[in-house]
Amino acid sequence: GAGVSQSPRYKVAKRGQDVALRCDPISGHVSLFWYQQALGQGPEFLTYFQNEAQLDKSGLPSDRFFAERPEGSVSTLKIQRTQQEDSAVYLCASSLVPGPYGYTFGSGTRLTVV
Amino acid sequence: GQQVMQIPQYQHVQEGEDFTTYCNSSTTLSNIQWYKQRPGGHPVFLIQLVKSGEVKKQKRLTFQFGEAKKNSSLHITATQTTDVGTYFCAGPNAGGTSYGKLTFGQGTILTVHP
Repeated sequence: GAGVSQSPRYKVAKRGQDVALRCDPISGHVSLFWYQQALGQGPEFLTYFQNEAQLDKSGLPSDRFFAERPEGSVSTLKIQRTQQEDSAVYLCASSLVPGPYGYTFGSGTRLTVV
Repeated sequence: GQQVMQIPQYQHVQEGEDFTTYCNSSTTLSNIQWYKQRPGGHPVFLIQLVKSGEVKKQKRLTFQFGEAKKNSSLHITATQTTDVGTYFCAGPNAGGTSYGKLTFGQGTILTVHP
């Protein structure tokens, strides 16, 4: 596609509910990143994929967070047993090749846990 | 770990005034990237600076990378209401498995009064 597509755009979850957030990167982009952005803050790194390999998951806040990219294209970020502190915007970004180059971000999923 | 700090946190200007935001890293950076996020939007890549002392211009925007490659600035000449948003700098982590993983500053929120 022309850009990075994320769905849903908004998600309200009851505390304890599991959620799944989807990212469809630009076709052919090798690198895929998930970031979490709290209100009024800069994006914070969660995890990184190069093709289907998850090379870094050091930013995932707890073992309730899980991400996958099984075929090296679409990625899903799953949060189990959501907590209020999980409320944030979850941004997906991709880049054509691995390296310290500019990302293309998706529009994000705003998760609100009530 | 790597820290990226930005000042000021907020800047209010009258339309036509100039604006500058500063970015400082706790470590030497291989490059520095700048992003703009409009209210309610997602970060959009503006530019990447790589060389020590590099200066790049995009119309009314001037980006500078410090000689020591630990600081950077973004200057906007004669601001317009379309410049409203949050400006983030971001630096890649040196080494590690996430080649391309970025650490973002907390951003400078620019408001422009017409």
